[in-house]
Amino acid sequence: AQSVTQPDIHITVSEGASLELRCNYSYGATPYLFWYVQSPGQGLQLLLKYFSGDTLVQGIKGFEAEFKRSQSSFNLRKPSVHWSDAAEYFCAVNAGGTSYGKLTFGQGTILTVHP
Amino acid sequence: DAGVTQSPTHLIKTRGQQVTLRCSPKSGHDTVSWYQQALGQGPQFIFQYYEEEERQRGNFPDRFSGHQFPNYSSELNVNALLLGDSALYLCASSSKPNTEAFFGQGTRLTVV
Repeated sequence: AQSVTQPDIHITVSEGASLELRCNYSYGATPYLFWYVQSPGQGLQLLLKYFSGDTLVQGIKGFEAEFKRSQSSFNLRKPSVHWSDAAEYFCAVNAGGTSYGKLTFGQGTILTVHP
Repeated sequence: DAGVTQSPTHLIKTRGQQVTLRCSPKSGHDTVSWYQQALGQGPQFIFQYYEEEERQRGNFPDRFSGHQFPNYSSELNVNALLLGDSALYLCASSSKPNTEAFFGQGTRLTVV
């Protein structure tokens, strides 16, 4: 069964510092990969996605992610964090094919931003 | 363009009762998926509806059932509510089953 691991439960950074959130997945083939952000009590907003092609993908709000097949990773990065980026971030995998769009999510990483 | 809308936003029910949650997909989307997000956890897939049929189901008991209407909107029904069913229920829609999903704001269900 596919699984998604986000090793860091909570990360704290200073405003203006760079950010990297880790995501590892377990699946035989290359799945579709996503990063979502969730503010407290809210739904999920799609930040970026990887289906195929260029392994470095750009998303909204200045975020980017790099797919590394050899490491089964899809880490999220941002060069300079803003206070408004404080939220919970979820990595998700869609196995494609007959999985009919089922998303498997990681446990999430809570981002705190210090002024 | 309205995104995914869910109703109600909050709900309090008593153990043993039944509840119905509703979802209207984003315009142009024909596929609806439901997720349960317990406090402090990532969302867990319940099931997905496409062409008015349940296409795939996660590891949830039969107390959880759903329906999709011809206008692509969907309902999630939970029978015989347990305290453990308290969670944020999220609806997601997409234009086909295997494309990017857009989420609604969720329904916060509290079972007392």
